[in-house]
Amino acid sequence: QKEVEQDPGPLSVPEGAIVSLNCTYSNSAFQYFMWYRQYSRKGPELLMYTYSSGNKEDGRFTAQVDKSSKYISLFIRDSQPSDSATYLCAMSESGGSNYKLTFGKGTLLTVNP
Amino acid sequence: AAGVIQSPRHLIKEKRETATLKCYPIPRHDTVYWYQQGPGQDPQFLISFYEKMQSDKGSIPDRFSAQQFSDYHSELNMSSLELGDSALYFCASSLGPPATQYFGPGTRLLVL
Repeated sequence: QKEVEQDPGPLSVPEGAIVSLNCTYSNSAFQYFMWYRQYSRKGPELLMYTYSSGNKEDGRFTAQVDKSSKYISLFIRDSQPSDSATYLCAMSESGGSNYKLTFGKGTLLTVNP
Repeated sequence: AAGVIQSPRHLIKEKRETATLKCYPIPRHDTVYWYQQGPGQDPQFLISFYEKMQSDKGSIPDRFSAQQFSDYHSELNMSSLELGDSALYFCASSLGPPATQYFGPGTRLLVL
């Protein structure tokens, strides 16, 4: 079983829809949680960064972390065609020098005009 | 704003050849991470450096080596290339761990 599980989709929604993306994880040492957006053949682009549990909002994006359930979410409001991409959740542990990112498989999102 | 620079962007090699990938982190960033992303796969951590010292090692083959130089740029050296090494190789940088990692555009390596 992978440390981080993410539904690969694909997910197709109409423009303006609210999108919900989720990841579950098994490693309780994960403390840092990130969402990256990756367009085809491009490098991952950081969207949201959260430490420990809680919510964080940035424009149309909201990230939620529930450490008790080992579950993180990314919500996209008023989705746009330009949001069409693969969304990767990523996590890292805390302490020492072990800050490598462990990624989910990524969810392919298509927002239709 | 300045981003992570990787060179070359594309590389074609034959089996058993050697390749060198370069990464130039965001100015003032002192930590570099290397990741490998196979087709349809999530990025897999290879190795990282903090202040020019190796800080962590992942699933990096013994045929690969890397280092971080005094100007903080990093190079990933890959020898005896195999077909399975064909992938996107990303470099990410951060201002000291555990800060957020910013990724470069990647080097696409094709081994024939």
